Amino acid sequence: DVVLTQTPVSLLISLGGQASISCRSSQSLVHSNGNTYLHWYLQKPGQSPQLLIYQVSNRFSGIPDRFSGSGSGTDFTLKISRVEPEDLGVYYCLQRTHNPRTFGGGTKLELK
Amino acid sequence: EVQLVESGGGLVQPGRSLKLSCAASGFTFSNYGMHWIRQAPTKGLEWVASISPSGGSTYYRDSVKGRFTISRDNAKSTLYLQMDSLRSEDTATYYCATDGSSGDYWGQGVMVTVSS
Repeated sequence: DVVLTQTPVSLLISLGGQASISCRSSQSLVHSNGNTYLHWYLQKPGQSPQLLIYQVSNRFSGIPDRFSGSGSGTDFTLKISRVEPEDLGVYYCLQRTHNPRTFGGGTKLELK
Repeated sequence: EVQLVESGGGLVQPGRSLKLSCAASGFTFSNYGMHWIRQAPTKGLEWVASISPSGGSTYYRDSVKGRFTISRDNAKSTLYLQMDSLRSEDTATYYCATDGSSGDYWGQGVMVTVSS
């Protein structure tokens, strides 16, 4: 199975600051069709995960432009600028290029 | 508005069975593959099983193969997960989710506790 390694495990950020989360894959996430199926989710306390970014860099419906995704191949990054209180929670990356789909271990974003 | 509502969870003894349901609304259910994903208490996310839009193809993680069965009723817009021979390590919140290369939706989850 593809292993996704997220760093850091936890992140202390001040309101209005910028956060950066890394997701590294044990193998390339480029599908045979040329697409890269790496998604990012946020799970707020007591809630189910919500999709933020799909296919590396595309914001899902209703997601503010403070969230941006980048990367290619095996290295991917989620950046959150101007952190707001509603951004707190655990962030997960997911790959659906290879079966079975797998998740990263999560990064907890907390207020400094 | 897309809605996915899971039900059927609860406390069950090891070795017993439980059947989860996920009622879908707000989209054409029969057009979408579906998944079950679980999260053990204080742990990360783990994909469990998937089913194609027609129900003709199903996929499982190795640890549940032969014990869990995913199915769907497109006429009722409902997804199911039949869980047999349950083990303590199956204790988790189970989420149903739509499949999509350009986005997906998740339910609120249902808790399953396997304990004597």
